[in-house]
Amino acid sequence: QLVLTQSPSASASLGASVKLTCTLSSGHSSYAIAWHQQQPEKGPRYLMKLNSDGSHSKGDGIPDRFSGSSSGAERYLTISSLQSEDEADYYCQTWGTGNVVFGGGTKLTVL
Amino acid sequence: EVQLVESGGGLVQPGGSLRLSCAASGFTFSSYWMHWVRQAPGKGLVWVSRINSDGSSTSYADSVKGRFTISRDNAKNTLYLQMNSLRAEDTAVYYCASSALGSYLDYWGQGTLVTVSS
Repeated sequence: QLVLTQSPSASASLGASVKLTCTLSSGHSSYAIAWHQQQPEKGPRYLMKLNSDGSHSKGDGIPDRFSGSSSGAERYLTISSLQSEDEADYYCQTWGTGNVVFGGGTKLTVL
Repeated sequence: EVQLVESGGGLVQPGGSLRLSCAASGFTFSSYWMHWVRQAPGKGLVWVSRINSDGSSTSYADSVKGRFTISRDNAKNTLYLQMNSLRAEDTAVYYCASSALGSYLDYWGQGTLVTVSS
């Protein structure tokens, strides 16, 4: 079964970097994923598509501070030079035959 | 500029029906697959349904199968979600989103709130 696992929460200081993790279920380590950001009281926003080889393509207007990388079944989202507006929920998403799957989301707190 | 604008949400009694709409602009709607995703209060994103670009293929989450119907009108650049036999657990903000070939969701609407309560 295709499942994405994320830690419920993360925190980092203003100006620092943070790396969020999304883990694909067993047997699905070759899958690409997407990262989405949801700021408080707003709809989600597509950040990037991330392939298993670490290559990624970002959405419109996404700053260079956001980058992605991969290792085995893990997919990462790194945010550098953290700003207050980066405080948000971050969801990973993938797709199978006929369906779409989301991770449970990581709530990022900027200290 | 790509825009997806949902409408049709509101308060409905258990067992009732509601039809959501999503008006699309700024891109070639007829070339994209479309999705509905929902978010219960304080919870995460949950995929509900998708439809391919010409409307010939649909897919649903098990939780809504047989109760919800996704459709589209490419002439009107509009996506729909017909929701029947609504339950309290269907209470959520409903988002429409686009994707290329049913893969990653690349544009999202702002959402419309559906509340199922007596």
